[in-house]
Amino acid sequence: GAVVSQHPSWVICKSGTSVKIECRSLDFQATTMFWYRQFPKQSLMLMATSNEGSKATYEQGVEKDKFLINHASLTLSTLTVTSAHPEDSSFYICSAPGPSTDTQYFGPGTRLTVL
Amino acid sequence: TQLLEQSPQFLSIQEGENLTVYCNSSSVFSSLQWYRQEPGEGPVLLVTVVTGGEVKKLKRLTFQFGDARKDSSLHITAAQPGDTGLYLCAGEDGTASKLTFGTGTRLQVTL
Repeated sequence: GAVVSQHPSWVICKSGTSVKIECRSLDFQATTMFWYRQFPKQSLMLMATSNEGSKATYEQGVEKDKFLINHASLTLSTLTVTSAHPEDSSFYICSAPGPSTDTQYFGPGTRLTVL
Repeated sequence: TQLLEQSPQFLSIQEGENLTVYCNSSSVFSSLQWYRQEPGEGPVLLVTVVTGGEVKKLKRLTFQFGDARKDSSLHITAAQPGDTGLYLCAGEDGTASKLTFGTGTRLQVTL
């Protein structure tokens, strides 16, 4: 089946620094990818829709200047958390629609801890 | 904003018991999906239901989509410790493959 990977799987950074998270579709192309955030003991909240070759679409309340999304190729989307603060510490998950059905394939997630 | 409320939020049962998780919304979805998520991992798709009134079975798991396509239920028969995890329903709006996730139900099955 389709596989989505994320890198890194976990990252610890200092407050004020920027962190880049990669999401790759390994065996299929994805013109659209989705980025979610999940706080401890909570559900997934959609942050933005990443569109290959065009600007990302952000959900209400998500700062586009803080969470930079770049979908430069059909297999790679990146999420950059700029000037990270401890409240940005969370589990970030990406997904991509599969090649043949309406199934979404989720990455394994990236745990970000901001000190 | 579409909201999906799951109940119960947390469930702790013993091995062999049956349980039902509910997923309710005031919105209509083109399809509804159920996922299970283990700690530190991404969610894994269990099933997708599309037609109102549809019932799907996956071994000991039975999924039902409401007639009006606004709600769904997940029934687990004879729960096992391996069923432990976070169960999430997610509705798809059909226009952009966007998923709205439910509030989640954390299931713990003990011996």
